[in-house]
Amino acid sequence: DGGITQSPKYLFRKEGQNVTLSCEQNLNHDAMYWYRQDPGQGLRLIYYSQIVNDFQKGDIAEGYSVSREKKESFPLTVTSAQKNPTAFYLCASSTFPTVNQETQYFGPGTRLLVL
Amino acid sequence: AQSVAQPEDQVNVAEGNPLTVKCTYSVSGNPYLFWYVQYPNRGLQFLLKYITGDNLVKGSYGFEAEFNKSQTSFHLKKPSALVSDSALYFCAVRDMRRDNDMRFGAGTRLTVKP
Repeated sequence: DGGITQSPKYLFRKEGQNVTLSCEQNLNHDAMYWYRQDPGQGLRLIYYSQIVNDFQKGDIAEGYSVSREKKESFPLTVTSAQKNPTAFYLCASSTFPTVNQETQYFGPGTRLLVL
Repeated sequence: AQSVAQPEDQVNVAEGNPLTVKCTYSVSGNPYLFWYVQYPNRGLQFLLKYITGDNLVKGSYGFEAEFNKSQTSFHLKKPSALVSDSALYFCAVRDMRRDNDMRFGAGTRLTVKP
């Protein structure tokens, strides 16, 4: 999982609660990504960020928010507006994908469960 | 928009036999193609990628993949499977003309039996 850490490993959310998932990388990568993984559906992109203080919505951004105040960090907040948050969340990073051939490297993931 | 299909949810092979995990793609431009492996409750690990050049790409742990433009396929192969290869495998594609839009297949679970 080289150089990308995610915490916590497991997270429990109560109804109506916002929770924040941490993602940190020490690879000096410019771009960072958040994906959601559900069984049988592969990975779906939530948000991505190419540089500090800038981020873009992915395919399923509703109910989520992010920030990118530092190059190394890209936290994801699952808000109460996300009605089906139970999933495995994966953070990834890559060098700035100017030509789209850069490999994305993934963290170990956070499993979010609703109480 | 680009898309990826992994037609098999599950592939079972005996240890020592060759394995193939299938992937087909659809893009409007030229593709960048990737294979990742995921072990239980872990993130994805990069195996190999095709950008340009030789159609046969060699990657980690003895895996290789063949890019076939006419069949729009990028099947993952290994000559001799190991029990430790048992995992979930994902194919992914990027259209070289679109920024940050990597599409993943639904995954194929490979089980190698001793």
